[in-house]
Amino acid sequence: GNSVTQMEGPVTLSEEAFLTINCTYTATGYPSLFWYVQYPGEGLQLLLKATKADDKGSNKGFEATYRKETTSFHLEKGSVQVSDSAVYFCALSDRGYFGNEKLTFGTGTRLTIIP
Amino acid sequence: GAVVSQHPSRVICKSGTSVKIECRSLDFQATTMFWYRQFPKQSLMLMATSNEGSKATYEQGVEKDKFLINHASLTLSTLTVTSAHPEDSSFYICSAPGTYNEQFFGPGTRLTVL
Repeated sequence: GNSVTQMEGPVTLSEEAFLTINCTYTATGYPSLFWYVQYPGEGLQLLLKATKADDKGSNKGFEATYRKETTSFHLEKGSVQVSDSAVYFCALSDRGYFGNEKLTFGTGTRLTIIP
Repeated sequence: GAVVSQHPSRVICKSGTSVKIECRSLDFQATTMFWYRQFPKQSLMLMATSNEGSKATYEQGVEKDKFLINHASLTLSTLTVTSAHPEDSSFYICSAPGTYNEQFFGPGTRLTVL
């Protein structure tokens, strides 16, 4: 079956540091890949997505590239801010990005940014 | 953006009682909603797909008689945990696809069964 493995947290960084959160996946077929973010007290929000190999998703300074050869979708940001403190979830959808398809999530990585 | 609400945000109940959790799409309609369960430091696990006007589709290993799902309207799905026990204590999250097929998540409901 499908699975998502992401870097265990918590991760603590200083403001303006470079961020990488690793995510690898196992899936049959050609999944779409997502990063969701959950700010304190709020629901999960879609941060970025990629629907096919070599696609790069980007939003709010975050980027992730769909690497089929390494089955990875690592999240990166060049300079983090205190407001980026949240829990980040990597996820895949095994039938493409149609919204009604099931999502398989990683365990989540809690990120804390120190001023 | 679209908003999904859940009520209550927290509930504490005694073992053997039933608890109902509501999931509402506030400014859009959703013929499908998803219910997830999240254990501490673990992934969100899909429990079931709620379908408006028809029976819910449960994932393997989820007891449908234990977790009753009703999707009575295009904006409301309910999850009832029947005869709750301490092992049912968890964080329950719902989601709904929006107009452009993006999934919108509710803030979750923390259930504690004593």
